[in-house]
Parts: sequence; structure tokens; C-alpha cells
Amino acid sequence: SQTIHQWPATLVQPVGSPLSLECTVEGTSNPNLYWYRQAAGRGLQLLFYSVGIGQISSEVPQNLSASRPQDRQFILSSKKLLLSDSGFYLCAWIFGGNTEAFFGQGTRLTVV
Amino acid sequence: AQSVTQPDIHITVSEGASLELRCNYSYGATPYLFWYVQSPGQGLQLLLKYFSGDTLVQGIKGFEAEFKRSQSSFNLRKPSVHWSDAAEYFCAVGALKGLGQNFVFGPGTRLSVLP
Repeated sequence: SQTIHQWPATLVQPVGSPLSLECTVEGTSNPNLYWYRQAAGRGLQLLFYSVGIGQISSEVPQNLSASRPQDRQFILSSKKLLLSDSGFYLCAWIFGGNTEAFFGQGTRLTVV
Repeated sequence: AQSVTQPDIHITVSEGASLELRCNYSYGATPYLFWYVQSPGQGLQLLLKYFSGDTLVQGIKGFEAEFKRSQSSFNLRKPSVHWSDAAEYFCAVGALKGLGQNFVFGPGTRLSVLP
């Protein structure tokens, strides 16, 4: 069956520390994968998307980066976290010509 | 560019009352439209979606939405709200963006339910 996994569920990190959030998909090949961020009191902002291994498109220039080392793995990273990086991060797999989407359970990141 | 607006940031209703959450979109082609619900600390759950055909769409948990092309709207309704419906609701449109397919989300409407 098709599923999407995202971890960790919650994370508290100090300012200046690195970040790595992982998202994996099961039950498909060559998925289109996305990272969204939801800041407090705001909607969902698209950060990155990937249509294949090593192919990353950035929507918003910022302190974050993404990588697609394997077909079904999508990683969100930062070398040095900022306070403004706090938020709720969602990985998504969108397919079927935008007719279907699976979302991970999300990661609540608090930068202190 | 595609966009989605949800005019109401926060709505409070009493349990048992009816509910309507507004959504307006801007998209150059026939849109794929969605409503998602997000409970606190959780991911997104699909309530319903519209692709074509009947403009009144039935979803889970007793929700329905009506697509009105002339008004570019896709409002979500429920005849009787339950306390467990308190959550944040997102309207989204499926769009093409370069080589990637994307969902464009509205800013969300937070629903509070009074006992």
C-alpha cells in the first residue's frame, strides 16, 4: 500500500544547530515530493519540491535546503537554525495530475 | 498565478449550529479543489475534493462543499457542528508549476466550537 512517513514528530533545537528532517514514501516509484512549512498563525507555504533523484526546486530563498538522495527519500536540512525556522513542517506526495495527495504527520520544530 | 483565499481567519460556532467556511480561488483552468482539516499537532486529512461533474461534493464527517464556477468559490458546509470539528481547515487548488505539480493552499480558517 502507499504510505508516507515523516520523522521526527517533534523537535526542539537551539539556535545555530543543524537540522535534518526525513520523509520516505512506500508503494510507489518516482514520486513528486514536497516540503511545506506552516508558521504560527499562517497557512502552508511551499518550500521545496522534487520530481526525481537529485532534482530540487526551491520556492522561497531561506536558511533551509533539501535533498533527494534516493527515489523515495526527501530530506529537509539546515546548517544553522534560526529562531524564525520554528514551525510545523509537512512532507507531501502529490500525484495523479494533482488529484491525489498524501501528507506526512508533520514535524513540530521549535528553535530556542 | 494560482491563489486561494479564505476570508475568515477564525470562526466560532456553537455545537449543533450550522457551519460554512468560505474559499475563493484564482486559477486559469478548470481547478481541482480540495478541503483539508488539520487537528492540533497533526498532519492534513482530506475531507473532500472536486474534479468535475456534480458541483455539490460530499465528504467525510458529514461535510459537503459546493463548487460555483461563476463565483470562483468552493465553500465548505456542515449542517450541525460537533465539538470534535474544532480544528483548522484549509482549502487548496491543485496546480501545475513548472515541472512540478503542486497544491496551493489558502491561509486556513480556525474553527472553534462552543459547548
